[in-house]
Amino acid sequence: AQSVTQPDIHITVSEGASLELRCNYSYGATPYLFWYVQSPGQGLQLLLKYFSGDTLVQGIKGFEAEFKRSQSSFNLRKPSVHWSDAAEYFCAVSEGNAGNMLTFGGGTRLMVKP
Amino acid sequence: DAGVTQSPTHLIKTRGQQVTLRCSPKSGHDTVSWYQQALGQGPQFIFQYYEEEERQRGNFPDRFSGHQFPNYSSELNVNALLLGDSALYLCASTETPRYGYTFGSGTRLTVV
Repeated sequence: AQSVTQPDIHITVSEGASLELRCNYSYGATPYLFWYVQSPGQGLQLLLKYFSGDTLVQGIKGFEAEFKRSQSSFNLRKPSVHWSDAAEYFCAVSEGNAGNMLTFGGGTRLMVKP
Repeated sequence: DAGVTQSPTHLIKTRGQQVTLRCSPKSGHDTVSWYQQALGQGPQFIFQYYEEEERQRGNFPDRFSGHQFPNYSSELNVNALLLGDSALYLCASTETPRYGYTFGSGTRLTVV
């Protein structure tokens, strides 16, 4: 069965600093990978997705992620964090075909220091 | 263009009662999925509906059931509520699953 691990439960960075959130997945074939962001009390917003092609994908709000098959990773990055980026971030994997259920990691809570 | 709309936003139920949550998908989306998100955890897949049929189901008991209507809107029903059913219930819709889902803001269910 597919699974997703986000090793960092909480991360605190200073505003303007760079950010990398880690995501490791377990899945036999090439997965479809997603990063979502959730503000307190809200639903999830899709930041970016990968299902084929270039392993470096660009998303909204200045985020990017890199798919590394050899490491089973799909880490999220941002070169300069803004205070408004403080939120919970979820990595998710899908089989990409019939069913297409999303399996989510436990999330990483990002706090931004002024 | 309205996104995914869920109702109600919050509700409180007593253990043993039944509850119905509603979801209107984003315009043009015909596939609806439901997720349960317990406090401090990632969402867990409950089931998915397409063409009014349950297409896939996660590891949830039969107390959780659903329905999709011809206009693609959906309901999630939970019978015999337990305290552990307290969670944020998220509805997500898509027209092509591999392209990702649009999520609603959720219904916060509290069972007392």
